[in-house]
Amino acid sequence: GQQVMQIPQYQHVQEGEDFTTYCNSSTTLSNIQWYKQRPGGHPVFLIQLVKSGEVKKQKRLTFQFGEAKKNSSLHITATQTTDVGTYFCAGPAMTTDSWGKLQFGAGTQVVVTP
Amino acid sequence: EPEVTQTPSHQVTQMGQEVILRCVPISNHLYFYWYRQILGQKVEFLVSFYNNEISEKSEIFDDQFSVERPDGSNFTLKIRSTKLEDSAMYFCASTDRGNSPLHFGNGTRLTVT
Repeated sequence: GQQVMQIPQYQHVQEGEDFTTYCNSSTTLSNIQWYKQRPGGHPVFLIQLVKSGEVKKQKRLTFQFGEAKKNSSLHITATQTTDVGTYFCAGPAMTTDSWGKLQFGAGTQVVVTP
Repeated sequence: EPEVTQTPSHQVTQMGQEVILRCVPISNHLYFYWYRQILGQKVEFLVSFYNNEISEKSEIFDDQFSVERPDGSNFTLKIRSTKLEDSAMYFCASTDRGNSPLHFGNGTRLTVT
């Protein structure tokens, strides 16, 4: 079945540093979504990428969707303590009729040291 | 901003008991979902629901699970005979269109003893 993998599983960052988390799907995705989950919280939608090669920015966050629509990345510049949490990528397989049937990656847990 | 609300926030039950987890999706949303997250693990799809019927379900969603929209506002997940491995955080989510991002509720932490 479809698998979505994320690396690294754990990211320890000094405040002010940049980092990137990567997401790879075993199947082509119709779109890729990124969610953030704070400790003890629920996933909160960050962004959706639909087009092959698409790049979107949200302030210090840059999201990219690969040309083959099987991988994605999230790059955070000048990390702040508010960036703490687990970042999940998720996508519906091309074969599903339900775009809400998402396959989530295992997440990258981000810890920021002041 | 409208929210998906879930009750209770924490449910403790004994193995073999039935539980009902409740959700009130955002009012103008038409697509409803249940996901679960075992502690420290990834979020897993359980079931999607649209137009008063199940659209898709995962292998996890076996005969012990059922969903219902009993009225115009609530969306429930029932587990008939809970097992220890059902212990997890259960998230309800909703969207207004089939290709829109999900709005998750705060979750119900189910503990089966």
